[in-house]
Amino acid sequence: EAQVTQNPRYLITVTGKKLTVTCSQNMNHEYMSWYRQDPGLGLRQIYYSMNVEVTDKGDVPEGYKVSRKEKRNFPLILESPSPNQTSLYFCASSLSGATNQPQHFGDGTRLSIL
Amino acid sequence: QQPVQSPQAVILREGEDAVINCSSSKALYSVHWYRQKHGEAPVFLMILLKGGEQKGHEKISASFNEKKQQSSLYLTASQLSYSGTYFCGTAPWRLIFGTGTRLQVFP
Repeated sequence: EAQVTQNPRYLITVTGKKLTVTCSQNMNHEYMSWYRQDPGLGLRQIYYSMNVEVTDKGDVPEGYKVSRKEKRNFPLILESPSPNQTSLYFCASSLSGATNQPQHFGDGTRLSIL
Repeated sequence: QQPVQSPQAVILREGEDAVINCSSSKALYSVHWYRQKHGEAPVFLMILLKGGEQKGHEKISASFNEKKQQSSLYLTASQLSYSGTYFCGTAPWRLIFGTGTRLQVFP
């Protein structure tokens, strides 16, 4: 089944403890992206990747890191999480970076940072 | 800059129609529409490309006016299953999502 898989689905952690949210897609998609969703603010892009080894900042990149060493994986790293990063996170992928391609979303990761 | 969606929320009875608008301050290449049910991931509905085309998905259709940098989503004869939050995504060169329109359909 074609899908985008995120792990973990839920995480409660404490300020300053490094964490990684994994994202993997099995559709051979070139383009991958991370979003955070907060009430009233919609989906805001954190980072995106047009292809392996090519990443770029989105609209809210502060406090996050990403890497794209393989086509299928695009982990999101919070080196020193803070409470303002408590949010619902979505990974998405599409066939290419062309904006005429639909994006496929993972099921989301709900992060709570105390 | 995020596109602006209006209205922010809509309440309907089954069978009623609704229009959701999406407006951008930047020139657009395409507009995407997604629906997100509570607690779930956004799901793709349709893409509209430059050319003012209209598209349809069941009883949901949309239009795109690139000169006005606007798109509208039309939901006709709404069903309970249409409830959710609708997002437009606009693409000058990468996809930027709006803040969403929450739609609730009651029996």
